[in-house]
Amino acid sequence: AQSVTQLDSHVSVSEGTPVLLRCNYSSSYSPSLFWYVQHPNKGLQLLLKYTSAATLVKGINGFEAEFKKSETSFHLTKPSAHMSDAAEYFCVVSDRGGSNYKLTFGKGTLLTVNP
Amino acid sequence: DAGVTQSPTHLIKTRGQQVTLRCSPKSGHDTVSWYQQALGQGPQFIFQYYEEEERQRGNFPDRFSGHQFPNYSSELNVNALLLGDSALYLCASSLEGTGGETQYFGPGTRLLVL
Repeated sequence: AQSVTQLDSHVSVSEGTPVLLRCNYSSSYSPSLFWYVQHPNKGLQLLLKYTSAATLVKGINGFEAEFKKSETSFHLTKPSAHMSDAAEYFCVVSDRGGSNYKLTFGKGTLLTVNP
Repeated sequence: DAGVTQSPTHLIKTRGQQVTLRCSPKSGHDTVSWYQQALGQGPQFIFQYYEEEERQRGNFPDRFSGHQFPNYSSELNVNALLLGDSALYLCASSLEGTGGETQYFGPGTRLLVL
């Protein structure tokens, strides 16, 4: 069984300061890991994904995440927050056992960016 | 290149009624998955369709059913609606095979059950 734990339900930062959103995962197989972002009343947008290539993954809008197998973590970072980054962020795991790619979502982290 | 589209955008129903939601996958994609997102929660997997067959299902009752058509579009049907079915319903599409783990989401259908 696969699961995801997002360690913070709410993170608040000031514009221009670094962002860190924490995620731990559990997976029976070699996992694929994703971060999705959801702006208010919108669908989910893929930020980045890890699928067993480089452990440091770069995504859109300056975000990146590092896969650490020993720590079962996949934290999302950005060097400098922008007001437009304010949204809900979901860490997601997909087991690559077989070809049925069911996604399991964390409960989300709400990012607030203060001026 | 059209992304995933869903219809309708919003829907209001009363308890006991039935509802059908529709999804057109991203161009070139052949697999459709459905998710339910309750307010303040992460999306929960309902089921996945490939080659017009349901091939994986989450922990949802039989009131939730679906269909995939030859053009890969899909419908989600919910019978005997309950108040707790009020949620955002998200459709995601992907391409079977290498890279199939990456799913692209539509904007969702917001269902309110009164």
